Amino acid sequence: GENVEQHPSTLSVQEGDSAVIKCTYSDSASNYFPWYKQELGKGPQLIIDIRSNVGEKKDQRIAVTLNKTAKHFSLHITETQPEDSAVYFCAASHNTNAGKSTFGDGTTLTVKP
Amino acid sequence: EPEVTQTPSHQVTQMGQEVILRCVPISNHLYFYWYRQILGQKVEFLVSFYNNEISEKSEIFDDQFSVERPDGSNFTLKIRSTKLEDSAMYFCASSETTIAGGKTGELFFGEGSRLTVL
Repeated sequence: GENVEQHPSTLSVQEGDSAVIKCTYSDSASNYFPWYKQELGKGPQLIIDIRSNVGEKKDQRIAVTLNKTAKHFSLHITETQPEDSAVYFCAASHNTNAGKSTFGDGTTLTVKP
Repeated sequence: EPEVTQTPSHQVTQMGQEVILRCVPISNHLYFYWYRQILGQKVEFLVSFYNNEISEKSEIFDDQFSVERPDGSNFTLKIRSTKLEDSAMYFCASSETTIAGGKTGELFFGEGSRLTVL
């Protein structure tokens, strides 16, 4: 089955700096890669996703890049703000069973004011 | 904004007891899921449900677990005889579609039900 590795497990940055979180996946059939933000006591919330026919996607301060050949994808947050502090999860799935996402271990991002 | 709601938010039970966790998915969604997250660990897929039947289930989803959509709005997860290792946060999620055919299939998660088995 699919295996998703996520690094780093914790990340601390100064407000205004950029943050990068990286994930690798094992199943070459995976073609949908969402990123979730989980705040304390809440469920994961989708912040951005990318499909395998696209190499990069951007939404304001958040961008995701995908390298299908190397089977890795990354989340980039620019101009970080304290409210970006949360646990971020990457996930991978494919369109025959999109709800069965395999999640990474999570990255705890702390943005220091 | 429509949201997935889950009850109870926290349930404490004795080992061996039956537990039912309830979810109300977003009303126009067709696909329903249960995930769980053991404290400090990753979110793990349990089961997906579509058209009143299980679409897929993980190895975690053994005979102790069952799901049901008893009416047009609720989606439940039952654990027949709880074990200590069932202690976790259980998340219900729903999606309007799957990603097949170019649609996003975004999962909307509820806030979770924390299950503590003593």
